[in-house]
Amino acid sequence: GQQLNQSPQSMFIQEGEDVSMNCTSSSIFNTWLWYKQDPGEGPVLLIALYKAGELTSNGRLTAQFGITRKDSFLNISASIPSDVGIYFCAGAYTDSWGKLQFGAGTQVVVTP
Amino acid sequence: EPEVTQTPSHQVTQMGQEVILRCVPISNHLYFYWYRQILGQKVEFLVSFYNNEISEKSEIFDDQFSVERPDGSNFTLKIRSTKLEDSAMYFCASSEVDSLRDTQYFGPGTRLTVL
Repeated sequence: GQQLNQSPQSMFIQEGEDVSMNCTSSSIFNTWLWYKQDPGEGPVLLIALYKAGELTSNGRLTAQFGITRKDSFLNISASIPSDVGIYFCAGAYTDSWGKLQFGAGTQVVVTP
Repeated sequence: EPEVTQTPSHQVTQMGQEVILRCVPISNHLYFYWYRQILGQKVEFLVSFYNNEISEKSEIFDDQFSVERPDGSNFTLKIRSTKLEDSAMYFCASSEVDSLRDTQYFGPGTRLTVL
């Protein structure tokens, strides 16, 4: 079956540091999405990527759609306390009718 | 900013009872989805819905589950006879048009607890 691996599982960083996480898939994705989830809430869309090689920013967040279409990374620059949460990658295969496959998440903890 | 809303935020039910989870997708969106997240685990796809019919469903979405768009604004998930293992957060999502159907916006979720 298709595998989607997200790493790292968790990160403990100091305020001001940069954060990087990535996802790899065993199959080609059509779309890569990055979400943030706070405890007890729904995933909030951060960045959507649609083309291989695409690099997109949203404030301090930057994400890239890998050239092979099997991977993506998310960077957070100059982290602040409100960056705390779980970050999920999600991807959709061609003709998947919106069936997103989620990674296991990266827990980010920011200490002052 | 438009958002997906879900009710109730928390539902407690006895095993074997029927539950209906409700969602109001973003108003101009055409594609609707249900996902679930068991505590501490990843978000899992249940079903996608377009043009008043199911487009795709996962292995989890068995005969106990059904979805409906009873009117122009609501989208519901019914579990006919709940089991203990149905306890999870259930998220509704919606997306806009065919070319952006993968760009999904999620609601805050309904926490279902089956006792």
